Amino acid sequence: QVQLVESGGGVVQPGRSLRLSCAGSGFPFNSYGMHWVRQAPGKGLEWVAMIWYDGSNKYYADSVKGRFTISRDDSKNTLYLQMNTLRVEDTAVYYCARGSYGPTYFDYWGQGIQVTVSS
Amino acid sequence: EIVMTQSPATLSVSPGERATLSCRASQSISSNLAWYQQKPGQTPRLLIYDASTRATGIPARFSGSGSETEFTLIISSLQSEDFAVYYCQHYNNWPLTFGGGTTVEIK
Repeated sequence: QVQLVESGGGVVQPGRSLRLSCAGSGFPFNSYGMHWVRQAPGKGLEWVAMIWYDGSNKYYADSVKGRFTISRDDSKNTLYLQMNTLRVEDTAVYYCARGSYGPTYFDYWGQGIQVTVSS
Repeated sequence: EIVMTQSPATLSVSPGERATLSCRASQSISSNLAWYQQKPGQTPRLLIYDASTRATGIPARFSGSGSETEFTLIISSLQSEDFAVYYCQHYNNWPLTFGGGTTVEIK
């Protein structure tokens, strides 16, 4: 069965960096576009970033553009989100989610990982 | 950026009754719309994609309709496990955006 497992979250001070990972299994990882979606405490869902199945294209929400970088290592079936210059408003549960080609819906989600940015 | 607006924010429904949730896009998105269900402390679950296609394993009491800018999710007879928050999401272009959600609560 499809599984997505996030790791790397935690508490970090504003301005610092953190890298999230998402390990995929149960499907051909290198055939799917992958996304990060976040949810601030008590708030709704916000799409963050997407990377094509072959890594050739990447897309970002304006709120993270220039600070976050999405990448993947298909040899490890792993998706990454490098988060730099973190802000208090980046505090959220971060989910990785499976997509398809181009803009799409998310058919499988990880369990989510908490990122807290606080001094 | 396409803005997705959901209404109502909260819907109070008795078990067994029908629930109608609305989602409006600020510009035409054809049928590039999905619906998700999220229960407290849980991961979102895909219910509907392409505006009206049920995802794998989703019961027939969930149905989606609409196109262009107006979309509807109907839960025909609410079961106890259906009380949750529901989000719509467009995937017509970048950036992908979600609606603010509709909470379906027990009346």
